[in-house]
Amino acid sequence: EPEVTQTPSHQVTQMGQEVILRCVPISNHLYFYWYRQILGQKVEFLVSFYNNEISEKSEIFDDQFSVERPDGSNFTLKIRSTKLEDSAMYFCASSRDSRDTQYFGPGTRLTVL
Amino acid sequence: TQLLEQSPQFLSIQEGENLTVYCNSSSVFSSLQWYRQEPGEGPVLLVTVVTGGEVKKLKRLTFQFGDARKDSSLHITAAQPGDTGLYLCAGEPSGTYKYIFGTGTRLKVLA
Repeated sequence: EPEVTQTPSHQVTQMGQEVILRCVPISNHLYFYWYRQILGQKVEFLVSFYNNEISEKSEIFDDQFSVERPDGSNFTLKIRSTKLEDSAMYFCASSRDSRDTQYFGPGTRLTVL
Repeated sequence: TQLLEQSPQFLSIQEGENLTVYCNSSSVFSSLQWYRQEPGEGPVLLVTVVTGGEVKKLKRLTFQFGDARKDSSLHITAAQPGDTGLYLCAGEPSGTYKYIFGTGTRLKVLA
């Protein structure tokens, strides 16, 4: 069964460093998403992406964040200058279309020291 | 602000008992999903409901979407220790491209 994959599973970085989290969505899906979950808190929406454009973003998704689909398979989330409060699990999701169910990857645990 | 409130937050029951988890909001959703999440892993889809009043069954799990598409429930019959986990509801507000997640219900089924 096709699934969303994410790399790395765990990323440790120093405050102020840039990080890139990678995702490979399900191959025939056209809509891509990033969510985050701070430890002990609920899953929060960051951004949705379709046709090489951001469709919607939350207040969390400020200028420090960017997304890109650099090729036909990868979908990346970049955090330019990480802060301590960026420490969280980051989940990528994809869906076939905007009304279809979103399927989630296993997540990347980001730890900012 | 769109919110999804889940209740109860924690539930500890004996094997064989029945339980119901609720997901409520004042917002209307185009669809509502139920996920199960294990520690350190991503949410795994259980079911999607899209029509007001819709009922779906997945073995011992029964999911219902409210008539007004503002709320949902998950009922587990004869709970088993393997049902232990975190259950999340997630709604897609009408006209958006995102999911709003509930706060989660942590279920523990004791043998």
